[in-house]
Amino acid sequence: GAGVSQSPRYKVAKRGQDVALRCDPISGHVSLFWYQQALGQGPEFLTYFQNEAQLDKSGLPSDRFFAERPEGSVSTLKIQRTQQEDSAVYLCASSLGGRGGPQHFGDGTRLSIL
Amino acid sequence: QKEVEQNSGPLSVPEGAIASLNCTYSDRGSQSFFWYRQYSGKSPELIMFIYSNGDKEDGRFTAQLNKASQYVSLLIRDSQPSDSATYLCAPNNQGGKLIFGQGTELSVKP
Repeated sequence: GAGVSQSPRYKVAKRGQDVALRCDPISGHVSLFWYQQALGQGPEFLTYFQNEAQLDKSGLPSDRFFAERPEGSVSTLKIQRTQQEDSAVYLCASSLGGRGGPQHFGDGTRLSIL
Repeated sequence: QKEVEQNSGPLSVPEGAIASLNCTYSDRGSQSFFWYRQYSGKSPELIMFIYSNGDKEDGRFTAQLNKASQYVSLLIRDSQPSDSATYLCAPNNQGGKLIFGQGTELSVKP
């Protein structure tokens, strides 16, 4: 597709459930990033992939958060045993090259934990 | 000190005026700087990026960078109501990730 595609757009889950969020980057983009955005705040970095390698996961808030990009294209962010504080918009971005280039964002997944 | 600080909003300007958005950052290793526009309920949209000291112009937008002062700004000339949005400053640190400020909400009044 022309842009970064994320699914689902909205996800409602009960506390304690596991969720999986998908990101399909712009075709050919090497780098893929996940960010978390709370209401009224700027996005916060979660993790970064270059192709299939996860080069930085320093922003993942706990070991309940896990991300993968097994074939260097589509990525999945998984949150286990969800908690209310996980409610946020999860944004995926991709960039053509390695570190430092412009990042283009998808529409995000709005996650609500009840 | 926050890694990225933006002037607190909301910033209100009349239609046709110049809007000035400011940002300071703490990581001296940052090499590239991005401005994103985010409409309410939408995702950030890249509008400008700058790598070198000085000014970069693109249409009604001008980005200004001063690495010695760790300062980057965005000027919007001839502001339009459609420019009303939150503007996010984001240096790219040496690790590749963007470090976002809290954003400045801009309101352009007709």
